[in-house]
Amino acid sequence: GQNIDQPTEMTATEGAIVQINCTYQTSGFNGLFWYQQHAGEAPTFLSYNVLDGLEEKGRFSSFLSRSKGYSYLLLKELQMKDSASYLCAACDSNYQLIWGAGTKLIIKP
Amino acid sequence: SAVISQKPSRDICQRGTSLTIQCQVDSQVTMMFWYRQQPGQSLTLIATANQGSEATYESGFVIDKFPISRPNLTFSTLTVSNMSPEDSSIYLCSGQQGDSYNEQFFGPGTRLTVL
Repeated sequence: GQNIDQPTEMTATEGAIVQINCTYQTSGFNGLFWYQQHAGEAPTFLSYNVLDGLEEKGRFSSFLSRSKGYSYLLLKELQMKDSASYLCAACDSNYQLIWGAGTKLIIKP
Repeated sequence: SAVISQKPSRDICQRGTSLTIQCQVDSQVTMMFWYRQQPGQSLTLIATANQGSEATYESGFVIDKFPISRPNLTFSTLTVSNMSPEDSSIYLCSGQQGDSYNEQFFGPGTRLTVL
C-alpha cells in the first residue's frame, strides 16, 4: 500500500534549527512536496524535490533520498510565525498526491 | 500561482440537507481537485473535477453523495448531499496549472458543521 509517515508534533525554540522527517512508500514516485498549513488556513506550497539532494530556499531547505524513501524539511533561524503544521506529500506514478498527516511544529520563545 | 476563493467560508447545516460549495480561480487551471480535511488530520482527496465531463472519484466517494461540476477552466462546485454529522469537516478546493506535475495551490477552505 501507499503510506507517508511523519512525526505528529515537534517543539523547538525561537532562533534554533529544526528538522522534520518524512518517509514514504508509493506506487511509483514523481517527487515529494512540502506544504505549510497555519491553523484554520489552507496549505501553502514550500518545496518540491524529485532528484536526490538538498534544495535550499532561504531559511527553509528540503532534502530527498529516493533510494531510502526519505525526505526532510529543515527550518533555520526559527521565528514564532513558523508555528504551523508541515505536510509531506509524495506524488505517485499516477501523479496523484499521497498526503502525510502533518507535523505540528510548536515554537517557544 | 493563481488565487482561489471559496464560498461559503463556513456553514452550519441540518442533517438531511445539501450544501453546494463554490470554488473560483482567478486564472485558467488544468486540474482542479476537491479535498476533505478533519481537524489535525491529513488531506483526503474526494475527486478530480474534470472540465466538461464527469469527475473522477476516489475510493469511498460517490457521485450521488458528492456531485461535482466544472463548467469551465476557472470554476467548480462540490455538493455535499443528504448530510449527516459525519460530513462535518473542512472542504478544500485546489488547482494545478500545466499538464505535467506542478504544485497544487489551495483555496481557503469551507468549514462545514452538520447538526
